[in-house]
Amino acid sequence: QVTLRESGPALVKPTQTLTLTCTFSGFSLSTSGMCVSWIRQPPGKALEWLARIDWDDDKYYSTSLKTRLTISKDTSKNQVVLTMTNMDPVDTATYYCARILYGGNHAYFDYWGQGTLVTVSS
Amino acid sequence: DIQMTQSPSSLSASVGDRVTITCRASQGISNYLAWFQQKPGKAPKSLIYAASSLQSGVPSKFSGSGSGTDFTLTISSLQPEDFATYYCQQYNSYPFTFGQGTRLEIK
Repeated sequence: QVTLRESGPALVKPTQTLTLTCTFSGFSLSTSGMCVSWIRQPPGKALEWLARIDWDDDKYYSTSLKTRLTISKDTSKNQVVLTMTNMDPVDTATYYCARILYGGNHAYFDYWGQGTLVTVSS
Repeated sequence: DIQMTQSPSSLSASVGDRVTITCRASQGISNYLAWFQQKPGKAPKSLIYAASSLQSGVPSKFSGSGSGTDFTLTISSLQPEDFATYYCQQYNSYPFTFGQGTRLEIK
């Protein structure tokens, strides 16, 4: 059974760095074809893809946010960590992690975490 | 970045109806398209990948079609649990991008 769970601070101050952890079970990020992504959703708005990390440590980032984002993995702990620097109130959102599965030529989301709401306010 | 545009933005329908949601990509994405369902306060649920392949456990009342730039999600025989917001997403190229969502409401 695949599960993912996000954890991190509920409140951060402007200019601070946000660190979020995705802890997963039911699969290993050392297995070929496994990937984990982060996605966020501001209140009442659409989903926005942030970053992805693959089993072979390849990393991909949102064009508009790549200077602020870092994604990493700890395979032994079954965790993926996302850091976002210089937080601003517009970064207030629910942050989700999700698994990406390779099937043929397709790398698609299948399982999602429940999400964690991060509010940026002084 | 590839822009994904969904239409309509909102849709009212009755239980038992069949509805279709459209998603258009700003450039060709072959069939690298997924659909998600999201209910208020909940995480998205993956429905379809590769434009028309159902995720495991997703009922066959959901179907997807299209290739290139134009795609559709069709839901047949609407039930109360189907009223939600639906998103399309392209994964043909980075950055991955989502549509703005289509809110399906009960008439």
